[in-house]
Amino acid sequence: DVKVTQSSRYLVKRTGEKVFLECVQDMDHENMFWYRQDPGLGLRLIYFSYDVKMKEKGDIPEGYSVSREKKERFSLILESASTNQTSMYLCASSLWGRPRTSGRTYEQYFGPGTRLTVT
Amino acid sequence: RKEVEQDPGPFNVPEGATVAFNCTYSNSASQSFFWYRQDCRKEPKLLMSVYSSGNEDGRFTAQLNRASQYISLLIRDSKLSDSATYLCVVLWAGTALIFGKGTTLSVSS
Repeated sequence: DVKVTQSSRYLVKRTGEKVFLECVQDMDHENMFWYRQDPGLGLRLIYFSYDVKMKEKGDIPEGYSVSREKKERFSLILESASTNQTSMYLCASSLWGRPRTSGRTYEQYFGPGTRLTVT
Repeated sequence: RKEVEQDPGPFNVPEGATVAFNCTYSNSASQSFFWYRQDCRKEPKLLMSVYSSGNEDGRFTAQLNRASQYISLLIRDSKLSDSATYLCVVLWAGTALIFGKGTTLSVSS
């Protein structure tokens, strides 16, 4: 089974702190994603990466940066946390780029989420 | 602008009922479509892909209408365990998945 793990389930930080959220997948997936999920707003894509050291902005990249130094690890960084970044953060990975032999190439596997509270 | 719109519900149905969810998407170039399921306080998980010809997986049937840019999910013989939020998802620009805000289903005995 694919496993996507996130470094923390719950995190409380103060305004202005630098925050690192780590995500690791164990299935050699090429693509990794960071989302935030808020009530009434659904899942919104922050950043994604389709290869090591590659990154693409999603819908709401402002206030965030990412790092992908190894294929299995994708980090989300809040340079200076603010209260409006209080949210559930979900990491995901997918195979994309492989031949679509199974029809499930685009399936994204999600980690359990990190509930971040910024006070 | 890329958007995926869903009726948020909630849909409250008794066990055994048939329920249908609809979803519209704005980008006519979208090529791949999915339904994900998210249980309360859990991460989303793929329920099924949606193919042009329509597809069925047990009690679940997904349909795609490209002309109307419309996707549907039909659940027959609802079970208590079907209670969840169902997310309509569209592949955008061959790279990122765009998620709808979800439709909440509550099945009661």
